[in-house]
Amino acid sequence: AQKVTQAQTEISVVEKEDVTLDCVYETRDTTYYLFWYKQPPSGELVFLIRRNSFDEQNEISGRYSWNFQKSTSSFNFTITASQVVDSAVYFCALSGTGGGNKLTFGTGTQLKVEL
Amino acid sequence: SQTIHQWPATLVQPVGSPLSLECTVEGTSNPNLYWYRQAAGRGLQLLFYSVGIGQISSEVPQNLSASRPQDRQFILSSKKLLLSDSGFYLCAWSVGTKHTDTQYFGPGTRLTVL
Repeated sequence: AQKVTQAQTEISVVEKEDVTLDCVYETRDTTYYLFWYKQPPSGELVFLIRRNSFDEQNEISGRYSWNFQKSTSSFNFTITASQVVDSAVYFCALSGTGGGNKLTFGTGTQLKVEL
Repeated sequence: SQTIHQWPATLVQPVGSPLSLECTVEGTSNPNLYWYRQAAGRGLQLLFYSVGIGQISSEVPQNLSASRPQDRQFILSSKKLLLSDSGFYLCAWSVGTKHTDTQYFGPGTRLTVL
């Protein structure tokens, strides 16, 4: 069975602070994919990143960066110099053959960025 | 480019009434289509997925059904709504032969059953 845990239910930061959202996953698959999605107040889920289990190289995209560590089964997401527009619920998700190749979502982390 | 539409955006329905939510995708062929539900304050639950016309897989036994009458159209239905059907319904699409491909989501329909 697959499982994704986002232990941080809600995080509040002041604008320009850096913030890291944690994601821990469980799977018995050797090949799997990890995802992050952003859900702003409007409700639509916006795709941020997809990473396969064989690529542990960290990725940076503007103010966003992702740290994938298979040794700790974690795929953490860092926002540098946060902005009010980053306020949203962020979901981590996992897909692999053990889950029937379906997306297993975490429960999400609500990020509030205040002025 | 591909776009995905859902309607209506919001819906308020009485208990026992029927339901029909529609999702259409543009700019791609033979997409995999998905229906998810998000209850208030919770994560996403996969309800149905479809890999082709007329092919529907149900993930959770419930009061809802899905149909795919056309390649890029996915419909979520109910004959009699329950209070517990309230939630935010999201449609998603992907291409490829595996569900490990990236899923892209629509704007969602917020359903309130009174």
